[in-house]
Amino acid sequence: DTGVSQDPRHKITKRGQNVTFRCDPISEHNRLYWYRQTLGQGPEFLTYFQNEAQLEKSRLLSDRFSAERPKGSFSTLEIQRTEQGDSAMYLCASSFWADAKNIQYFGAGTRLSVL
Amino acid sequence: GESVGLHLPTLSVQEGDNSIINCAYSNSASDYFIWYKQESGKGPQFIIDIRSNMDKRQGQRVTVLLNKTVKHLSLQIAATQPGDSAVYFCAVNDYKLSFGAGTTVTVRA
Repeated sequence: DTGVSQDPRHKITKRGQNVTFRCDPISEHNRLYWYRQTLGQGPEFLTYFQNEAQLEKSRLLSDRFSAERPKGSFSTLEIQRTEQGDSAMYLCASSFWADAKNIQYFGAGTRLSVL
Repeated sequence: GESVGLHLPTLSVQEGDNSIINCAYSNSASDYFIWYKQESGKGPQFIIDIRSNMDKRQGQRVTVLLNKTVKHLSLQIAATQPGDSAVYFCAVNDYKLSFGAGTTVTVRA
């Protein structure tokens, strides 16, 4: 399967701990996006990369959040000093920019529970 | 920013019937829309897209209609099957996606 993969699928952590999630996009895709989804809501944009450059960060992305895509392939999203309000599904998507459609394909997500 | 809303949070449909899911958007400059399907425990899955230079687009068992005058789009699913049970989202595709809250479709046997 050559879709978007995310790891881990589930993460349970205690408040105040740091967590890191990984996303491996579809191999030929140059854009990578992170979204957050809470129960009953649609995904909300957090940030995106074109190759290794982070081009935009949402105001939802507080200074406790950092994302990287060091070699323009996989990406990591780190949350420092987790809070209960960080509990959500974190979704990664990738697309091929320069394709007029720029359709984003999503991974299965990482569900974070902060106790 | 873009505001996207769905008209009904839930829809119950008899197997074999047609389903219609409606969506409204706020920005008249929006020109590209995507419908996604999300099953429990999975990420959103692309269904169909439409650009503002079209009023209608058909896929396999699905049709998307776009009414730019009233800023409304709909997704029609023909002959709904149990596998169509999921949450459906419309999204404005403007390099990033702006999603509505979703409509949960339940198919009754």
